[in-house]
Parts: sequence; structure tokens; C-alpha cells
Amino acid sequence: KQEVTQIPAALSVPEGENLVLNCSFTDSAIYNLQWFRQDPGKGLTSLLLIQSSQREQTSGRLNASLDKSSGRSTLYIAASQPGDSATYLCAPREEDGTASKLTFGTGTRLQVTL
Amino acid sequence: DVKVTQSSRYLVKRTGEKVFLECVQDMDHENMFWYRQDPGLGLRLIYFSYDVKMKEKGDIPEGYSVSREKKERFSLILESASTNQTSMYLCASSLDADEQYFGPGTRLTVT
Repeated sequence: KQEVTQIPAALSVPEGENLVLNCSFTDSAIYNLQWFRQDPGKGLTSLLLIQSSQREQTSGRLNASLDKSSGRSTLYIAASQPGDSATYLCAPREEDGTASKLTFGTGTRLQVTL
Repeated sequence: DVKVTQSSRYLVKRTGEKVFLECVQDMDHENMFWYRQDPGLGLRLIYFSYDVKMKEKGDIPEGYSVSREKKERFSLILESASTNQTSMYLCASSLDADEQYFGPGTRLTVT
């Protein structure tokens, strides 16, 4: 059974810093991996989808990398802003041929201070 | 833009009541999902559906059932609500193995 770990569980940084969020997963037979953000009491917003054949995916100040064989993904946030404060979740998708099941980590809670 | 809507943002029900949570998506997605989210446990998959009238159990289906009579609508049913079903419920949809899009969530309290 897939297990997903996100480190650190919480992070506080001053505005403007670049930061890296880590995600590791136990079963490397994944189809792709999705990164989400979640604001308190809200649903999840998709940030990036990185396919198993890709090494990196970029959207604005966000860059996600994937090392499938070692079971790791990172989310890099450049020039952090207070509006980036949220919980970030990674979710690898099983390579099982049926509907795309995701397994979620418990997330990294990010606070960007002024 | 994909839109996934859920019938209620907040819901309070009594123990033993039958509870319906509704989810609607507007992008003709085949796949729909119900999750619950609890502090320290993350998101856990309850049920999913990959076509009309099709359903598959997720990791924690006990105490729940689902219905998918139309492609755009996926309902989660708590036959007899219990206090341990107090949680945040999140619905999602996707096309094939593409991105999953989530609704705003329903915070259910069972007293």
C-alpha cells in the first residue's frame, strides 16, 4: 500500500525566501504526481501535475521535480509571499489501470511572514 | 474552468439520521471521488466512480454508500450517521488519469 510522507510538517519563513517542500512515497510504480494547496477550511486547489516520464514541471514561481525511482518529489517556491501561506499536499497517482486513485500525504503547513 | 460544487458548506445532523451529500461537476468527467479529511490522518478515499452507475470502494467505505445515476452527479450517503463520521468531506472529479479537481468541501458535524 502506498504511503506518502511530507517533510517538514510545518514551516515558517520570511517573505522573499525561496523554499523547498519535500514529498516521499513508498511505491515507485506511479502514473503521475499532483501537488495541491489547501487554505484553512477550504477545498484543494491543484498546483501542478507532473507525469512519471517528466523530471520537472513549472508554473509561475512554482517548480515541481520528480524522481520516480527513488520515490521523491519536491516543490520549489521562489520568492515566497504572504499569499503563499497554506497547507501543501502531494499525491502520487497509482498505476493500476482504473480510475485515477491518489494517495495523500498529511501536508506541509507553510506560513510566510512579513 | 472546471467547477465542482458541493450541496452544503456546513451541515449539522443528529446521530442515526440519514445524510445525503451531493456533488456536481460541469466538465463531463468520467471519474468522481469522495474523500474525508481529518486532522493528523490526511485525506482518505471513501468511494469512487469511473462511470455512471459504477462504484468502487476506497480505503474507508464502512458506514457509507454512494450513488451515481447521472454522469455529473455523485452522492455520498450516510445511512445512519454516527459521531465518528464528523469530518470534512471533499468531492473531486477527473478525466482519465488527469488532474483531480476538488469541490469546496462540506464540514459535517454529527451530534
